[in-house]
Amino acid sequence: GENVEQHPSTLSVQEGDSAVIKCTYSDSASNYFPWYKQELGKRPQLIIDIRSNVGEKKDQRIAVTLNKTAKHFSLHITETQPEDSAVYFCAAIFSGGYNKLIFGAGTRLAVHP
Amino acid sequence: EPEVTQTPSHQVTQMGQEVILRCVPISNHLYFYWYRQILGQKVEFLVSFYNNEISEKSEIFDDQFSVERPDGSNFTLKIRSTKLEDSAMYFCASSEGSEELFFGEGSRLTVL
Repeated sequence: GENVEQHPSTLSVQEGDSAVIKCTYSDSASNYFPWYKQELGKRPQLIIDIRSNVGEKKDQRIAVTLNKTAKHFSLHITETQPEDSAVYFCAAIFSGGYNKLIFGAGTRLAVHP
Repeated sequence: EPEVTQTPSHQVTQMGQEVILRCVPISNHLYFYWYRQILGQKVEFLVSFYNNEISEKSEIFDDQFSVERPDGSNFTLKIRSTKLEDSAMYFCASSEGSEELFFGEGSRLTVL
């Protein structure tokens, strides 16, 4: 089936610490794995994505790693700041013909000053 | 920067009433989507639309739901007879090709 599992559901860190969120996906996933950040009452915003031809991608304090053999991918945020506090969703495209982006359950990240 | 726009931002309706949520996708995009997010829960796929027809739909998207592209710019979601459990934020999204989805700000539906 088409499923994305995400852990943890909540994560609390001190400002300056790192945060790691992990996702696994089912067999039929495709080759595109985005991460979205959603602030309270707002739309999901793409923060980084990775395609299956690479194992890691970085953008300033954010990095994503992908292990296609193990079917998991992770989001790493370094030097966390209070404004990083939000709900983070991983997702995977399931392309059984056309695109179908399936989201994980979300991780509520709280960064404490 | 072009963005997906949605109206209304909030709609309150009585159970059993019909609701139409409207979206204007980004103009050069070819793929259109509706997602639903019940308060505090994850973003759930409802339907994708390409080349003037539904390309994929989830089990949530039953006979009470329909989508339409009535003209060259709008993309609508209709809920025929709303239920209490339809209360949620509905997000429209569009994409140029096979990957990056751009989401609208959402339409909050409250069914009383």
